[in-house]
Amino acid sequence: EDKVVQSPLSLVVHEGDTVTLNCSYEVTNFRSLLWYKQEKKAPTFLFMLTSSGIEKKSGRLSSILDKKELSSILNITATQTGDSAIYLCAVDYRSASKIIFGSGTRLSIRP
Amino acid sequence: SAVISQKPSRDICQRGTSLTIQCQVDSQVTMMFWYRQQPGQSLTLIATANQGSEATYESGFVIDKFPISRPNLTFSTLTVSNMSPEDSSIYLCSLKGGENYNEQFFGPGTRLTVL
Repeated sequence: EDKVVQSPLSLVVHEGDTVTLNCSYEVTNFRSLLWYKQEKKAPTFLFMLTSSGIEKKSGRLSSILDKKELSSILNITATQTGDSAIYLCAVDYRSASKIIFGSGTRLSIRP
Repeated sequence: SAVISQKPSRDICQRGTSLTIQCQVDSQVTMMFWYRQQPGQSLTLIATANQGSEATYESGFVIDKFPISRPNLTFSTLTVSNMSPEDSSIYLCSLKGGENYNEQFFGPGTRLTVL
């Protein structure tokens, strides 16, 4: 069965710390891996990764895909309280148009 | 990217009633998706809605419970029928977009509470 697994499920750190969130997947016909940030209702898009080893960056956030290990990490440096959210990892199938989500990591940043 | 709006943004409903959620997009899209996120859970795909054809439902979801309409390329509705407290969730419509139509974008969501 296709699945996406995220770890840790929750994480509490202090402002200024660096965090690494993990995502592993087992899917057939992988096309891309996506990261989202969910603060209230709607997830907002962060990154889409299709190629192994190429880091994508956006400000203090960065992410990289390892197709050999079937995994990805999302790094956040110099965390701020505004980074507190649920971070969702999802995988897009090549053979279908749908994506499946992991359970998410709930990140809390303490001032 | 397309702008997606949903109505209502939230509602509190009585058991046994039905609620129809509307999703409007500011551009034409072929495929729209409906997701559910139960409290403390991740997003689960309910169905894929193509204009002009029946929606395709995922395992565990049936048309009688979640009828979907897709009358044109910018609009879709999801009805949650004969609601029970277990239907309390956030319901999100979604579409694919971006440079290669591989990025998935979400509407603002509808928070449904069933008493």
